[in-house]
Amino acid sequence: GESVGLHLPTLSVQEGDNSIINCAYSNSASDYFIWYKQESGKGPQFIIDIRSNMDKRQGQRVTVLLNKTVKHLSLQIAATQPGDSAVYFCAENKARTGTASKLTFGTGTRLQVTL
Amino acid sequence: ETGVTQSPTHLIKTRGQQVTLRCSSQSGHNTVSWYQQALGQGPQFIFQYYREEENGRGNFPPRFSGLQFPNYSSELNVNALELDDSALYLCASSFTSGYNEQFFGPGTRLTVL
Repeated sequence: GESVGLHLPTLSVQEGDNSIINCAYSNSASDYFIWYKQESGKGPQFIIDIRSNMDKRQGQRVTVLLNKTVKHLSLQIAATQPGDSAVYFCAENKARTGTASKLTFGTGTRLQVTL
Repeated sequence: ETGVTQSPTHLIKTRGQQVTLRCSSQSGHNTVSWYQQALGQGPQFIFQYYREEENGRGNFPPRFSGLQFPNYSSELNVNALELDDSALYLCASSFTSGYNEQFFGPGTRLTVL
């Protein structure tokens, strides 16, 4: 079946270090991926996205890498800050023009930033 | 903040009752998607509304239904509530279906006793 999963349920990093959150997907037809951050009591917040015709995309302090060969996605956060503490989800968007844009989320990885 | 609002923020119901949750989409967005997020899990797609029509549905029974209004706001209705319906219900709006970022609201926390 199709799924979007994460390798590690909890990741603890020291403030200032780089964080890497990994995600595996099983559907080779997936062509759009999004990373969301969810803080306690809030809805998911868009971080960065990438389409399958790319293998890397950079934002402010964040980089997403896509390896279609092994169906793997990662989110790198540079110089992790206490405000980065949250649950991170990767989501697969199996979108086509004229059809529903259904996001399939994984379980999530909790990032804990220690001082 | 995304501009997507949801009401109420919290709700307590008893098994068998019916509930209506509301969502106002971000200005200019014509598509609203609803998700159910159980504690400790990722959100699960319930359905999507595009121009007032249901435009795709996840693996949820018919007692989960919805509406979208001309101003693109939306309602999620759940009949015959079950204990397992206790969850955070999220709505997300976007410009159109397809490759467009979905902006999430803060959610409605539903507790079924």
